[in-house]
Amino acid sequence: DIQMTQSPSSLSASVGDRVTITCRASQSISSYLNWYQQKPGKAPKLLIYAASNLQSGVPSRFSGGGSGTDFTLTISSLQPEDFATYYCQQSYITLTFGGGTKVEIK
Amino acid sequence: QVQLQESGPGLVKPSETLSLTCTVSGDSISSYYWIWIRQPPGKGLEWIGWIYNSGSTNYNPSLKSRVTISVDTSKNLFSLKLRSLTAADTAVYYCARGVLGGVSDYWGQGTLVTVSS
Repeated sequence: DIQMTQSPSSLSASVGDRVTITCRASQSISSYLNWYQQKPGKAPKLLIYAASNLQSGVPSRFSGGGSGTDFTLTISSLQPEDFATYYCQQSYITLTFGGGTKVEIK
Repeated sequence: QVQLQESGPGLVKPSETLSLTCTVSGDSISSYYWIWIRQPPGKGLEWIGWIYNSGSTNYNPSLKSRVTISVDTSKNLFSLKLRSLTAADTAVYYCARGVLGGVSDYWGQGTLVTVSS
């Protein structure tokens, strides 16, 4: 099984801050890495697929990078609606999610 | 617009079998991957399994012995059966569409299933 490790597990930030979340795979997954945003009581929402491709309708302040085993999700200027939990997911061999990163208001 | 809707019981007894369905509208279930994912209260997401090409399946190894996913193309829905339930199976269960080999672009709203006597 491929294990996905996210860091940090939580962070506090202010509106306007630049935020970066990392995700590491236990083996190379090429660019088969996706990012989701989840708000309380809601289903996850796809933000980024194939490491760096922005899903239609997602604001351009979200960006993804990396390949192989190390990946990042960056929010260039945090907005009030971005406070949520973020999950990475590998789709190289079946599916595995990271443990999540909760972004809270500072 | 693609929409998915889970349905099934909210409360199931230990040792029994959970049966959930996911009705798909706005797309044909004959295409893409159709996925089940769950999330225990306050915890992260866990892939349960998927079905594609209207019949090929793949399951999470940790659940494989207890899971069956099937599709009904005539009703445009797919289903999950999870056997021998325990309290650890209490979770919100989501269905989702998978593209590009599993990227989950459309999700149902989720349904909370509680395993309790």
